[in-house]
Amino acid sequence: DIQMTQSPSSLSASVGDRVTITCQASQDIKNYLNWYKQKPGKAPKLLIYDASNLETGVPSRFSGGGSGTHFTFTISSLQPEDIATYYCQQHDSFPYIFGPGTTVEIK
Amino acid sequence: EVQLVESGGGLVQPGGSLRLSCAASGFTFDNYAMHWVRQAPGKGLEWVSSISASAGNTFYADSVKGRFTVSRDNSKNTLYLQVTSVRAEDSAIYFCAKPSLFGYDAGSFDSWGQGALVIVSS
Repeated sequence: DIQMTQSPSSLSASVGDRVTITCQASQDIKNYLNWYKQKPGKAPKLLIYDASNLETGVPSRFSGGGSGTHFTFTISSLQPEDIATYYCQQHDSFPYIFGPGTTVEIK
Repeated sequence: EVQLVESGGGLVQPGGSLRLSCAASGFTFDNYAMHWVRQAPGKGLEWVSSISASAGNTFYADSVKGRFTVSRDNSKNTLYLQVTSVRAEDSAIYFCAKPSLFGYDAGSFDSWGQGALVIVSS
């Protein structure tokens, strides 16, 4: 099975800061990498699909990049409503593994 | 508007069984594969199972293989997860999720239910 790692596991940043999360796959997953946002007590929400495509309705401050085994997720200007846990997920092959998550807090 | 509504969660004893349901509306259900994802209390997301649109293909996480069975009734727009031989580590919120694209392996989940809580305890 493909293993997914994320770093950092948590971060604290100020409003307006640029925030970057990385996700690494244990083998080449091409661009089959998604990013989700989850707030406590809520279902996850798809933000970025296939590494770099912004889901409809998602603010443009969110972006994704990478391919193969190394991926990044960036919030260009952190907003208070961005407080959440962010997960990467590979969908190159079953099982569709999620990364362990990165919790983003406001400093 | 896409709606996914899970039901059937609850308290179950170790070794017991229950069936989760996910009622779908707002889209052509039989065009899409469907998925189950779970989240143990305070933990991350874990993909559990997938079923193709026609139910011809099913896939499971190793942690549930042989114990869980995914099925669907396209005439009722409903997805199911039969959970048997439950263990404490199966305690979680179980979400059903719809992919954004057709295809048995479409794995970008653009719609989620609110989740059904399963607690395994004696």
